[in-house]
Amino acid sequence: EDQVTQSPEALRLQEGESSSLNCSYTVSGLRGLFWYRQDPGKGPEFLFTLYSAGEEKEKERLKATLTKKESFLHITAPKPEDSATYLCAVQEWGYGGATNKLIFGTGTLLAVQP
Amino acid sequence: DGGITQSPKYLFRKEGQNVTLSCEQNLNHDAMYWYRQDPGQGLRLIYYSQIVNDFQKGDIAEGYSVSREKKESFPLTVTSAQKNPTAFYLCATNRGLNEQFFGPGTRLTVL
Repeated sequence: EDQVTQSPEALRLQEGESSSLNCSYTVSGLRGLFWYRQDPGKGPEFLFTLYSAGEEKEKERLKATLTKKESFLHITAPKPEDSATYLCAVQEWGYGGATNKLIFGTGTLLAVQP
Repeated sequence: DGGITQSPKYLFRKEGQNVTLSCEQNLNHDAMYWYRQDPGQGLRLIYYSQIVNDFQKGDIAEGYSVSREKKESFPLTVTSAQKNPTAFYLCATNRGLNEQFFGPGTRLTVL
């Protein structure tokens, strides 16, 4: 069964303490992997798309990387405003080509304390 | 100002009632989606539509219905057949196979 697993479920960091969030996946063929940020009571906000192993994307204090089995979201010197739930989703190739369906993980709740 | 709007933000339903959640977009995106989010679970796909007048069931379509009469609009009806409708409902859109963009969500509570 296709799965997306995020770890840890929750992470508490001190301001400036860098760390990484993990998204591991098992799909028959990966077409794309997406990272989102979600604040409480709001819709997810798109961060990155990664398509192939070895690819990296950066935005401010965030950097996303991709291997054949997992993706990491690295947070460098986080600030309290980085506190949110980070969601990972994968898009796979289907029988007729790529599908629009995304498989989401359950997210990592990040809390950054001042 | 382009974007996705969902209304209402909060919705309360009595037992046996049908309720309709609105999703409107002015991004000119072809595809629209409805997801349900429950605590401790990933987003689950209810229905999606890739073109006007056509839609497909997602993973948890039972107890829900949709229509796609206009490109800009994709309303979701939660029927009385949905036994556990309390959840956060999210609408999303995309163009082609690119990243999906989400609306602000509607929180539905059954009284």
